[in-house]
Amino acid sequence: NAGVTQTPKFQVLKTGQSMTLQCAQDMNHNSMYWYRQDPGMGLRLIYYSASEGTTDKGEVPNGYNVSRLNKREFSLRLESAAPSQTSVYFCASSHPPRGQETQYFGPGTRLLVL
Amino acid sequence: QQQVKQSPQSLIVQKGGISIINCAYENTAFDYFPWYQQFPGKGPALLIAIRPDVSEKKEGRFTISFNKSAKQFSLHIMDSQPGDSATYFCAASKRNTDKLIFGTGTRLQVFP
Repeated sequence: NAGVTQTPKFQVLKTGQSMTLQCAQDMNHNSMYWYRQDPGMGLRLIYYSASEGTTDKGEVPNGYNVSRLNKREFSLRLESAAPSQTSVYFCASSHPPRGQETQYFGPGTRLLVL
Repeated sequence: QQQVKQSPQSLIVQKGGISIINCAYENTAFDYFPWYQQFPGKGPALLIAIRPDVSEKKEGRFTISFNKSAKQFSLHIMDSQPGDSATYFCAASKRNTDKLIFGTGTRLQVFP
């Protein structure tokens, strides 16, 4: 099992460019999440998907869109990148119900917006 | 508005010492409190978790202490080792949801 995989590992964008961060999990989990991690801010939820075909906003959704392509894949799109979106992005998955809430994280994507 | 407040931001401990990281929350609807460990360049991974029906949970050198009345919980690392050097995040989630609210993280450095 590869667990949660993310591509790319690193990316440099210019302001205004667009890109899609890819995430896939092979654990048959229902729930998937996108977080951003910034120094002193911890992990902040951008969007999540409780099941295939559903997505909901998290704490910091502005400037992002998501697609739950199927049960395995959950992508995050930046339509017009801004320097404030420079961050490390983590995808995670989990399989509720209660007692199985452990979130499994991918290795992250480091994004620099110039 | 930080729903889960974590302190300290950074911590330096000598090998063999005890590391203590504290978290506080306001929302009494939270009923699951995990701690995640993150090594540099890696994603976070679950370390240990507790529910409010117990006051303490121990796994090896790692212990969570939970004080429901004070709405506080803490992570204790006994006999801290250089390999424990990492960033630690506390988190909380509400009953019947699968969203975690994370603290801001504590960078722990253990020196030989």
